[in-house]
Amino acid sequence: DIQMTQSPSSLSASVGDRVTITCRASQGISNSLAWFQQKPGKAPKSLIYAASSLQSGVPSKFSGSGSGTDFTLTISSLQPEDFATYYCQQYYSYPITFGQGTRLEIK
Amino acid sequence: QVQLVESGGGVVQPGGSLRLSCTASGFIFSNFGMNWVRQAPGKGLEWVAFIRNDGSNKYYADSVRGRFTISRDNSQNTVYLQMNSLRTEDTAVYFCAKRHCPNTTCYSVDSWGQGTLLTVSS
Repeated sequence: DIQMTQSPSSLSASVGDRVTITCRASQGISNSLAWFQQKPGKAPKSLIYAASSLQSGVPSKFSGSGSGTDFTLTISSLQPEDFATYYCQQYYSYPITFGQGTRLEIK
Repeated sequence: QVQLVESGGGVVQPGGSLRLSCTASGFIFSNFGMNWVRQAPGKGLEWVAFIRNDGSNKYYADSVRGRFTISRDNSQNTVYLQMNSLRTEDTAVYFCAKRHCPNTTCYSVDSWGQGTLLTVSS
């Protein structure tokens, strides 16, 4: 199975900040990587697929990059609604696997 | 717009069985693969199972293989998760999620249901 490791596990930032979350795969996954946002008690929301393509309706403040084993999610100009938990996911091969999540908190 | 509504969750004793349903609307259900993803209380997301649009291929997480079965009824726009030999560690919110296929290529998922809670406890 492909292991996905996110860093950091938690992150404190202020409104207006720009933050970057990293996701590393245990083996190469080309660009078969997605990012999700989840708020407490809610279903996840799909943000990015194919490492860097935005899902429909997702604001351009979210951006993704990477290929192979190393990926990043960057969120610019943080707003209160962006504070949530973020997950990466590889869909290169089954079983599909998620990172452990990065909790983004308000400083 | 896409809508996915899960149902069937509840409280079950260890060793018991339950079937979850996810009814879809707002898209041509028979064209898309479907996933089940779960989240234990206070924990992260765990992919559970996938079924192709025509039901021809199914994949499972190691943790549920042999105990859970994913199926679908395209005439009812519904995907199911039959769960047998339930364990306390299966306690989670179960989400269904639609595969993302914006063109001839498919990727991860784009839409999620609101989830249904399964509690396995004696």
